Amino acid sequence: QVQLVQSGAEVKKPGASVKVSCKASGYTFTNYGISWVRQAPGQGLEWMGWISTYNGNTKYAQKLQGRVTMTTDTSTSTAYMELRSLRSDDTAVYYCAVIAAAGPFDHWGQGTLVTVSS
Amino acid sequence: DIQMTQSPSSLSASVGDRVTITCRASQSISSYLNWYQQKPGIAPRLLIYAASSLQSGVPSRFSGSGSGTDFTLTISSLQPEDFATYYCQQSYSTPQTFGQGTKVEIK
Repeated sequence: QVQLVQSGAEVKKPGASVKVSCKASGYTFTNYGISWVRQAPGQGLEWMGWISTYNGNTKYAQKLQGRVTMTTDTSTSTAYMELRSLRSDDTAVYYCAVIAAAGPFDHWGQGTLVTVSS
Repeated sequence: DIQMTQSPSSLSASVGDRVTITCRASQSISSYLNWYQQKPGIAPRLLIYAASSLQSGVPSRFSGSGSGTDFTLTISSLQPEDFATYYCQQSYSTPQTFGQGTKVEIK
């Protein structure tokens, strides 16, 4: 079965960086791009960006440009999201996902809680 | 960027009620509209894709309609397990924006 398994919770200080991993299994990794979505405590879903697992092309949310980098390692079917210069308002659950683009193939990781606190 | 506006932001309903949630896009997105259900502490679950197609395994009491800019999610007879937050999302262009969510609570 399709699975996206994310790395564990992180606690970071303001100004630090975090890198979250997302290991895919159960499907051909390079057939579907990976999106990253975050959810601050008690808030809605925020689309952060997308990476093509085929050629590495990326699209980022404008508000995160310059602070976020998404990469993939096709040899291990793993996607990564690095966020730099962390602030307290980056505290959130971060999800990787294959998001349906007019089709039924839609799968999400379990989420990774990133807490930014001094 | 395409803005997605959901209404209402919350509603109270009873088991067996018919519930309708609307989502409006700031420009046409054809039928590139997903509906998700989310319960606390759990990743979102896809209910409807392409505006009106029911995801496999989702009960038939859920239905979606609309195209262009105006979309609707309907739950024909609310069940106890349906109390959750619902989000629309456009997959027409990046950023693939979400609506702000509709929380369905027990009346």
